[in-house]
Amino acid sequence: AQSVTQLGSHVSVSEGALVLLRCNYSSSVPPYLFWYVQYPNQGLQLLLKYTTGATLVKGINGFEAEFKKSETSFHLTKPSAHMSDAAEYFCAVSVDSGYSTLTFGKGTMLLVSP
Amino acid sequence: EAQVTQNPRYLITVTGKKLTVTCSQNMNHEYMSWYRQDPGLGLRQIYYSMNVEVTDKGDVPEGYKVSRKEKRNFPLILESPSPNQTSLYFCASSLTGTDSYEQYFGPGTRLTVT
Repeated sequence: AQSVTQLGSHVSVSEGALVLLRCNYSSSVPPYLFWYVQYPNQGLQLLLKYTTGATLVKGINGFEAEFKKSETSFHLTKPSAHMSDAAEYFCAVSVDSGYSTLTFGKGTMLLVSP
Repeated sequence: EAQVTQNPRYLITVTGKKLTVTCSQNMNHEYMSWYRQDPGLGLRQIYYSMNVEVTDKGDVPEGYKVSRKEKRNFPLILESPSPNQTSLYFCASSLTGTDSYEQYFGPGTRLTVT
């Protein structure tokens, strides 16, 4: 069975600062990894995903994440935070079982101050 | 527009009064799933369906039922709701097979059971 750990339930940054949201996973088979974002009172939206190939993945809104197998990590970064990035972010893992059952982390709320 | 719709978006009910939350998708996806989201717990899977007439339990199925009579619809049924089922519920869908790695989420249904 797979699991996901997101370090920090809340992360605060200033506008223009680096955003780093941490995600570690465990999986007995090669994982497929995702970051989803949830804006207030909305559903989840896919930010980016890693399936195979290049380990540095670029997503929407300037976010990117790097799959590091040796560290079992998939941290999410953005060079410069914007006020509109304030949201809750979820890391998720799936295995190549032919269908995409996702196991989610508990989420990290990103707070951006002026 | 490709989308997952849920109804109702908000529901307040009383203990024991049967209710159904509908979910529909227009993307011809085989896989559909229900999650509940609770503060500090992230999203947990309730039930999923790999295709018509094929359903299976997720991590937290107790107190819920589902059915999949048509490909596009996947209703969630609470036969006798209890206060501990107060939560935010999300329906999701995806393709299966080698391109199955992205789930599309509905906007959510906020349920309060008093």
